Amino acid sequence: QLALTQPSSASASLGASVRLTCTLSSGHPTYAIAWHQQQPKKAPRCLMILKRDGSHTKGDGIPDRFSGSSSGTERYLTISSLQSEDEADYYCQTWGGGIQVFGGGTRLTVL
Amino acid sequence: EVQLVESGGGLVQPGRSLRLSCTASGFTFGDYAMSWVRQAPGKGLEWVGFIRSKDIDGSTDYAASLKGRFTISRDDSKGIAYLQMNSLKIEDTALYYCSRLHSGDYSGGAFDYWGQGTLVTVSS
Repeated sequence: QLALTQPSSASASLGASVRLTCTLSSGHPTYAIAWHQQQPKKAPRCLMILKRDGSHTKGDGIPDRFSGSSSGTERYLTISSLQSEDEADYYCQTWGGGIQVFGGGTRLTVL
Repeated sequence: EVQLVESGGGLVQPGRSLRLSCTASGFTFGDYAMSWVRQAPGKGLEWVGFIRSKDIDGSTDYAASLKGRFTISRDDSKGIAYLQMNSLKIEDTALYYCSRLHSGDYSGGAFDYWGQGTLVTVSS
């Protein structure tokens, strides 16, 4: 069954880098995903669409500080030069066979 | 500029019905599949369902837990997607978002644009 797993929380210091992980279910290592950011009290926005080979297409206006990479069933979102506004919930999302799936989300705290 | 604006939310009693609308602008609406996603208070994102473009076949798919109660439709001439919700339950209380799928693939796609959401509260 298609599923995504994310750690519930992460933290990193202002100005540092952080890598968030999204893990695909074992039978689905080739699937692309999307990363979405949801700042407090705001609607989600799409950061990027990330393919199995690590190539990614970013959403409108997404800064270069956000990048993606892939390895096996893992899909990563790296945020460099962390800013206070990066404190948010980050969700990964995938799709297949007419079903759309979200991970549980990772709450990122910027220290 | 792509814009998605949801409307139609409000307070409704358990067992009643409600129809949400998503009005789109800034792109050729008929070329894209559209989806609804909800978020209960303090919880994560939950996919509700989506409707394919008529170029594909205009069909719909839904989250298994909601099938039979929720129906998505579209009016390409008006650029509006609808979510008809019947037999509402207290646990349907959530912020309902409309989103556009980036791909015309039959299996679905990434949600590349989101609306601001409309709040549905189911309570007696």
